[in-house]
Amino acid sequence: DAEITQSPRHKITETGRQVTLACHQTWNHNNMFWYRQDLGHGLRLIHYSYGVHDTNKGEVSDGYSVSRSNTEDLPLTLESAASSQTSVYFCASSEWTSGIQYFGAGTRLSVL
Amino acid sequence: GIQVEQSPPDLILQEGANSTLRCNFSDSVNNLQWFHQNPWGQLINLFYIPSGTKQNGRLSATTVATERYSLLYISSSQTTDSGVYFCAVEETSGSRLTFGEGTQLTVNP
Repeated sequence: DAEITQSPRHKITETGRQVTLACHQTWNHNNMFWYRQDLGHGLRLIHYSYGVHDTNKGEVSDGYSVSRSNTEDLPLTLESAASSQTSVYFCASSEWTSGIQYFGAGTRLSVL
Repeated sequence: GIQVEQSPPDLILQEGANSTLRCNFSDSVNNLQWFHQNPWGQLINLFYIPSGTKQNGRLSATTVATERYSLLYISSSQTTDSGVYFCAVEETSGSRLTFGEGTQLTVNP
């Protein structure tokens, strides 16, 4: 079955370190998205991609970057981790036409 | 940007009760999706419903796009329905979803 996998599931890092969160989907979807979810709130869009070599900034993109070198993967990099980036991060993908988004299980990141 | 408001923010039910969750949005949308986030954090798409009514078992959803709201109905609730229900809308300009703050549902046995 097709799926979307995030790794690691949990990560603890220190302020100032660079961190990369992985997202891999086997749906062959064109669109991929990264969201963050802070305690007790909805999801906010960080970055998204409509295809290989395409990346776009979302609502809360400062301090984050992504690159899309193939269809399956959209890694999210925190350039210099800050305590304000402690959150749960979700990756999602969708086909262009339907727009139904399928989510990974999430990565819980703590920046100390 | 578009605003998405969900109500109520919290809802506590006894098993077997019915409930209605509401989602209001501030502008025209290309599509609307309902998600359930279970207590373990997993997000599952329930409905893709830009307009009209859909049903899936005990759950159904109705979107009235012209009046900018959507309703999610849960009938004969079960403890496994507990979690957070999110409404998310896609603005007409692309496939980016804007999420509401969610409704926290607790179903007690």
